[in-house]
Amino acid sequence: EDKVVQSPLSLVVHEGDTVTLNCSYEVTNFRSLLWYKQEKKAPTFLFMLTSSGIEKKSGRLSSILDKKELFSILNITATQTGDSAVYLCAPKGGSTLGRLYFGRGTQLTVWP
Amino acid sequence: DSGVTQTPKHLITATGQRVTLRCSPRSGDLSVYWYQQSLDQGLQFLIQYYNGEERAKGNILERFSAQQFPDLHSELNLSSLELGDSALYFCASSVADSPGSPLHFGNGTRLTVT
Repeated sequence: EDKVVQSPLSLVVHEGDTVTLNCSYEVTNFRSLLWYKQEKKAPTFLFMLTSSGIEKKSGRLSSILDKKELFSILNITATQTGDSAVYLCAPKGGSTLGRLYFGRGTQLTVWP
Repeated sequence: DSGVTQTPKHLITATGQRVTLRCSPRSGDLSVYWYQQSLDQGLQFLIQYYNGEERAKGNILERFSAQQFPDLHSELNLSSLELGDSALYFCASSVADSPGSPLHFGNGTRLTVT
């Protein structure tokens, strides 16, 4: 059965801290892995990773994929209150190329 | 703004009723996906359409059905509603049904069944 496990489930930090969010997956016909940020409404797209070992960066956020060990991490440095959200890991695969499998997410809360 | 439009934003209805949720994908996107998100579960994949044809089915109940029209908008029909169907229903779209196409989500329709 395909599954996605994210840890921790919840994380509370102070502004300026650095956090690491983890995602392990088992998905048949794995193609790529996406990270999303969900505040109150729609998940918004952050990164798509297709190759192992290549770090993707966007400002204070970065992510890397390990296809051999079947995991990905999302790092956020110098956290700000605006980073408070649920972060979702979503590998693509299965019987169709486009379908995403979502984890339960990590709830990040950043205190001022 | 992702460019994916969902209507209505909120829907409150009674058990046993039928509702229709509507989704307009981003301009140029051919693939539409429906996901359900309830409090105790993550985002659950329901169904995918690509250029008018059903491409994949997930955990979609027989009481639910969907279609994608020639203008590429999609509708999700939920019938014989039960209390447990209360959830946030998201539509997402992508350019193609391929590994390299990220999904972009609408703001969702919050369905409350009373």
